[in-house]
Amino acid sequence: GENVEQHPSTLSVQEGDSAVIKCTYSDSASNYFPWYKQELGKRPQLIIDIRSNVGEKKDQRIAVTLNKTAKHFSLHITETQPEDSAVYFCAASIMDSSYKLIFGSGTRLLVRP
Amino acid sequence: GAVVSQHPSRVICKSGTSVKIECRSLDFQATTMFWYRQFPKQSLMLMATSNEGSKATYEQGVEKDKFLINHASLTLSTLTVTSAHPEDSSFYICSARDPGANVLTFGAGSRLTVL
Repeated sequence: GENVEQHPSTLSVQEGDSAVIKCTYSDSASNYFPWYKQELGKRPQLIIDIRSNVGEKKDQRIAVTLNKTAKHFSLHITETQPEDSAVYFCAASIMDSSYKLIFGSGTRLLVRP
Repeated sequence: GAVVSQHPSRVICKSGTSVKIECRSLDFQATTMFWYRQFPKQSLMLMATSNEGSKATYEQGVEKDKFLINHASLTLSTLTVTSAHPEDSSFYICSARDPGANVLTFGAGSRLTVL
């Protein structure tokens, strides 16, 4: 089955700097890669996703890149703000009728004011 | 947007009792729902896929007789933790796919504490 690895486990950046989180997946059939932000005790919130027919997607300060050949994808947050501090999870799925997501281990991002 | 309601948000029970958690899709029909478990400071681990009108599909290592899943309607899936023990204490989260929006939506989660 699918296995998703995520790095780093913790990331501390200065406000205004960029943050990059990287994930690799094992199943070449996976074609949907969402990123979730989770605050303590809350549900995961989808922040951006990418499908395998594109290599990059951007939404304001957040961007995701996908390298299908290498089977890795990355989340880029620019101009970080303290409110970006949270745990971020990548996930991979085969976008069929089920949408079964396998999650990475998570990255705890701390943005220092 | 799509809303998934999960109840209860918190539950405390004694060891050996059973606890039921409900997951409802409020404004869409979900033929498939997913149940995840999240221990403190860890990732979301998929426990099972809940299929409306048929048996759930459990992930490797998840005891189907301990974690009973019922998906009797297109808007409701339930997870029952039977004979709960302290090691079952965790955050349980359900999710469902809104076919119209083509994204997964998560419930708010249920924090189970077994004394």
